[in-house]
Formats: sequence, structure tokens, C-alpha cells
Amino acid sequence: DQQVKQNSPSLSVQEGRISILNCDYTNSMFDYFLWYKKYPAEGPTFLISISSIKDKNEDGRFTVFLNKSAKHLSLHIVPSQPGDSAVYFCAASGFNAGNNRKLIWGLGTSLAVNP
Amino acid sequence: KAGVTQTPRYLIKTRGQQVTLSCSPISGHRSVSWYQQTPGQGLQFLFEYFSETQRNKGNFPGRFSGRQFSNSRSEMNVSTLELGDSALYLCASSLGASGHTETQYFGPGTRLLVL
Repeated sequence: DQQVKQNSPSLSVQEGRISILNCDYTNSMFDYFLWYKKYPAEGPTFLISISSIKDKNEDGRFTVFLNKSAKHLSLHIVPSQPGDSAVYFCAASGFNAGNNRKLIWGLGTSLAVNP
Repeated sequence: KAGVTQTPRYLIKTRGQQVTLSCSPISGHRSVSWYQQTPGQGLQFLFEYFSETQRNKGNFPGRFSGRQFSNSRSEMNVSTLELGDSALYLCASSLGASGHTETQYFGPGTRLLVL
């Protein structure tokens, strides 16, 4: 049962345009969400995060939007650059039944930004 | 500061063997998490160690084990290897104070191939 879903395995956009990566979650216990970027042969690197008390967080070209009622978040990259081509992982954090915080990852979306 | 290092980077084993992977976290980080990444399953959480104690555990069989040393370095061990254990094993470190709301810093991973 995939609690964090990234329904688009891949996305292709033109340089300069907006990239929108989507993520849906099923568990209401999640209260913190993160996006990571991964290049081939490297480990994921942290990109941006958002707490469930907010609906938007912005950092330069990257903005994450959270819609709690829809259990949906999205990452916007504006403008997209060829160097943004990577796999993007959405992750959700919350406490489990044992009162330990756990991090659940989506399967990733491969973004290709074409020059 | 040096990043997270993992050794070895590549490993080939045969079924039934056992393997030990090593992770050195960023200096000052006390939490180390291990993940398994496969193409179809994304990032699957194995376990997290904090101050030499296992703080969180994923849903992997007992063949997968780990430990953390007093200098925060961590090892994970997989016994009786199966073909399905072929994957990229990623280690991530964080300060450890607030679990998974913290930013995790990933190493480059160890790619394990089981023949």
C-alpha cells in the first residue's frame, strides 16, 4: 500500500517553462513533507520542505504547495533549467503507532528539461 | 564539512552469502538511516539509528540488520543474500534531534548485485 504516490513516473518540459510535479498521500498523520532531487549515481539531495501548518513554501525557483483537504502537494519549478533534469522524490513524515517519527517516500518522478 | 561517505561503492555477491555495508555520517550528525532503492519500489526505509540505538525500523525481514558505533558510524548487514536484494543501498545522516522533520543528507550509495 503506497501511502505516498507520485502518479507521473516522468515529465518533460521546455527550458524556461514551469515544471509541476505532483504528490498525493493517504495518511492524515503526515505533518511534514519534503522534496528531494536525485541525479544518477548520486544520493538524493534535499530541495525544499513544508509543514502541514502552511500551504506554501518558496525558495528561489522552487515553490511547494500543500492542499491538506485534498491530501495533495506539488512542487513548482519556475523557470525550469536543463540542470533541473533529475528524479524528484516526495516524502512525507509523521508519527506511527509506536510514537516514532517515520518518513515515507514516493517512487519518484523523472523530470527532463529540454533546451 | 565532508559529506556522507559509504563503502564500498559497488559490490557483487552470490546467493546465500552475507554482506556488510558501511556509512560514515557528516561530522556532528548522530542519526543514520538506511534505505533500499530499487527501480520498482522507490526508496524503502530499512532502519534508523540514533546514539547507537535503533530508533525506527521498516518492514524488512530479520536478514537485514544494522548497528551504530559510538562515533556515529553505522554498518548494515544482510545475511543469506537473495537475488531480490540487488539494489542501491543509501545511507542518510541528520543531526537526530527531531527525527524525520530534519533534513537528511544522503551518501552516494552502495550498489549491490546478487548473482
